[in-house]
Amino acid sequence: DSGVTQTPKHLITATGQRVTLRCSPRSGDLSVYWYQQSLDQGLQFLIQYYNGEERAKGNILERFSAQQFPDLHSELNLSSLELGDSALYFCASSVGTGLAYEQYFGPGTRLTVT
Amino acid sequence: GIQVEQSPPDLILQEGANSTLRCNFSDSVNNLQWFHQNPWGQLINLFYIPSGTKQNGRLSATTVATERYSLLYISSSQTTDSGVYFCAVLLSNDYKLSFGAGTTVTVRA
Repeated sequence: DSGVTQTPKHLITATGQRVTLRCSPRSGDLSVYWYQQSLDQGLQFLIQYYNGEERAKGNILERFSAQQFPDLHSELNLSSLELGDSALYFCASSVGTGLAYEQYFGPGTRLTVT
Repeated sequence: GIQVEQSPPDLILQEGANSTLRCNFSDSVNNLQWFHQNPWGQLINLFYIPSGTKQNGRLSATTVATERYSLLYISSSQTTDSGVYFCAVLLSNDYKLSFGAGTTVTVRA
């Protein structure tokens, strides 16, 4: 158990819908990262927050947004869902940002868009 | 961007065998991690190893940063070692981990 929690574990929804994925980092970690794992793209970085502020953006679609709250938990919002958004979404956390900080991954949320 | 290449892409082992997985990267890195993704999809941290050698039970890893590669050794493999092994690196002045495509390991009883 990495100490990073994610809910829900599984999510099945229809095209055009909106969903929210939730992540709680390990105790003491200030950075939260979101990654997407799909069959055709592999594991890709989406976005990072550090202590409530956005720090880096990767290949995140405009239909996706995220935020980190004062209690450091984070939410990833996915809207106008398409079939291609079906993937495993991971949240990771680390003590600091960048450089030499090990990232710990949560169990993931498996999203299926039908 | 940085290229992370893992080899071999697939590995089939008999229980008890030893194996070596390789990760090559194209640029200087501040962080290198090895993960095991089990059949349930969980990503499990194996090693944080930007340089040097570490051991954890039957697993060990070596990173030679100056030559831009890392090796993961699995000894006396067990069926529970099956899954996908990922190497991920973090560039200087970067925030995200860049993952390789993974090595799929199947250990047969």
